[in-house]
Amino acid sequence: GAVVSQHPSWVICKSGTSVKIECRSLDFQATTMFWYRQFPKQSLMLMATSNEGSKATYEQGVEKDKFLINHASLTLSTLTVTSAHPEDSSFYICSARVAPNYNEQFFGPGTRLTVL
Amino acid sequence: AQKITQTQPGMFVQEKEAVTLDCTYDTSDPSYGLFWYKQPSSGEMIFLIYQGSYDQQNATEGRYSLNFQKARKSANLVISASQLGDSAMYFCAMELGLTGGGNKLTFGTGTQLKVEL
Repeated sequence: GAVVSQHPSWVICKSGTSVKIECRSLDFQATTMFWYRQFPKQSLMLMATSNEGSKATYEQGVEKDKFLINHASLTLSTLTVTSAHPEDSSFYICSARVAPNYNEQFFGPGTRLTVL
Repeated sequence: AQKITQTQPGMFVQEKEAVTLDCTYDTSDPSYGLFWYKQPSSGEMIFLIYQGSYDQQNATEGRYSLNFQKARKSANLVISASQLGDSAMYFCAMELGLTGGGNKLTFGTGTQLKVEL
């Protein structure tokens, strides 16, 4: 099956710093990737939809200037948490939609971010 | 807007028994897909089963079956012959449209299942 990787798998950073999370589709091309956030013991909430070569579409309430998304190639999307604060500590999960059938999405293993 | 409701925060089941995890949904769109995912403590999301809104028969995948009751807007997951490895968080999710998973997903709050000896 299709494989999606995320890097890093976990990261600890100081408040005020920026953190970049990578999402890669390893054996397929992904024209669309989704970024979700999951707080402890809670559900996954969609943050944004990332389309290759165009600006990401953010869900209501998600600050696009704080969560920068870049989808520069068909196999890579990045999420940068800028000026991270402790309340940004969460589990970030990406998923990738398989082109060209668009009939399934595969999830990455997630990245656990802890902001001190 | 669509909504997914899972009313069971936690469930216990004995090994080898069957268990039903509840899920109700709300949407005015006639075309939608319903999914169940398993999330072990490691965090990865594992796809279990899919049901399209126009599918006449309930979906089945091995020990998993989806009890789809359209009029009641429910999509319960039935796990037969529970195993210790089934202990995990289970999420019900919905997409608008019938791509089978190509659109963004709305997730429920999840049910923590614990399988006991």
